Amino acid sequence: DGGITQSPKYLFRKEGQNVTLSCEQNLNHDAMYWYRQDPGQGLRLIYYSQIVNDFQKGDIAEGYSVSREKKESFPLTVTSAQKNPTAFYLCASSIKETLFQFFGPGTRLTVL
Amino acid sequence: SQQGEEDPQALSIQEGENATMNCSYKTSINNLQWYRQNSGRGLVHLILIRSNEREKHSGRLRVTLDTSKKSSSLLITASRAADTASYFCATVVNRDDKIIFGKGTRLHILP
Repeated sequence: DGGITQSPKYLFRKEGQNVTLSCEQNLNHDAMYWYRQDPGQGLRLIYYSQIVNDFQKGDIAEGYSVSREKKESFPLTVTSAQKNPTAFYLCASSIKETLFQFFGPGTRLTVL
Repeated sequence: SQQGEEDPQALSIQEGENATMNCSYKTSINNLQWYRQNSGRGLVHLILIRSNEREKHSGRLRVTLDTSKKSSSLLITASRAADTASYFCATVVNRDDKIIFGKGTRLHILP
């Protein structure tokens, strides 16, 4: 059953904590992406990776970090430096950067 | 400012009617993509239309692209309750191959 998965579905964080959101795909896609979505808004790009061991900052990378040690996995860490992390986080992958993306189900992060 | 902007922001129509959403963009594109998002879920890709194409169909969906006006439209015919969702256009910009999403149109199908 091919696809892209994210875990957990809901995540609660205390202020000052780092948390890591998981994203895994078995579609054999080279490119992977992390987006943030706020209520009633579109998607804003946090980080993207076109190949293993390489990644680039998107439009709102401050306070976030990523790694791409395996083709299948692209975890996102929300650090304590991110001042307003409460949002819906979406991971996506694509065969090629210019082609359409497959999205995971999302992780809703809430800061307590 | 946004590369892709959908219009209207929200749309309510009766079941069975056609729904039309528009997307305008500013710079030269490689392709334009439409996605659907059900509440609290990830996005699902609907149609990709390349810059040298003018129209594409997929089931009840019809997408047009007018590069001279830098605009695209998504038509959903014979709407159903299950079409209630947000619809996003995304443009792949020629300059750097980056994909940029608009803020979406919230479509509500009334029974």
